[in-house]
Amino acid sequence: GESVGLHLPTLSVQEGDNSIINCAYSNSASDYFIWYKQESGKGPQFIIDIRSNMDKRQGQRVTVLLNKTVKHLSLQIAATQPGDSAVYFCAERGNNNDMRFGAGTRLTVKP
Amino acid sequence: NAGVMQNPRHLVRRRGQEARLRCSPMKGHSHVYWYRQLPEEGLKFMVYLQKENIIDESGMPKERFSAEFPKEGPSILRIQQVVRGDSAAYFCASSPGSLNQPQHFGDGTRLSIL
Repeated sequence: GESVGLHLPTLSVQEGDNSIINCAYSNSASDYFIWYKQESGKGPQFIIDIRSNMDKRQGQRVTVLLNKTVKHLSLQIAATQPGDSAVYFCAERGNNNDMRFGAGTRLTVKP
Repeated sequence: NAGVMQNPRHLVRRRGQEARLRCSPMKGHSHVYWYRQLPEEGLKFMVYLQKENIIDESGMPKERFSAEFPKEGPSILRIQQVVRGDSAAYFCASSPGSLNQPQHFGDGTRLSIL
């Protein structure tokens, strides 16, 4: 998700439920996207990527969906676990191979 | 396999001093990126380097900040004459270089300016 101001959007789910984290990107010409997970005090950790010639990609317990028409990206986490609690960022590849990050969504998993 | 290594993990400087942040990319990675993160915000791109070359420094402040990635040794992000507003977490990422390869991040250097 996107945020304006100082506070990250938050998502709170019950352990075992599925989580869906959304992201809107800005550049219609972007051709590569990544979801990262960031735990407190650590760097972003790669979760899954997708190229613009795909609509969906699945990993272990995670699925990324790409809707280029509305410039929307989502991350689905199946059977969310307490260890999934973190801040999740979507990122799109910029013109010079840098990654442009969204503001992030804080996922909290309740036991 | 060692990941991206950044040091120091924490750095405290007084206003006016210099800060030097080091980053050793993953083995086999020739491309290095530096990002800055403020609390509760996303990462902001600063600079992209390959060995001995700056590819894109569009995110770097024009003054006081510089970066290098020498032929031998780690990449260095240098901040001269630090000010309070430089306090942030600075992250380094590396990639093999080909397009559409994910960047892998280190755990950052937390810079605090007194």
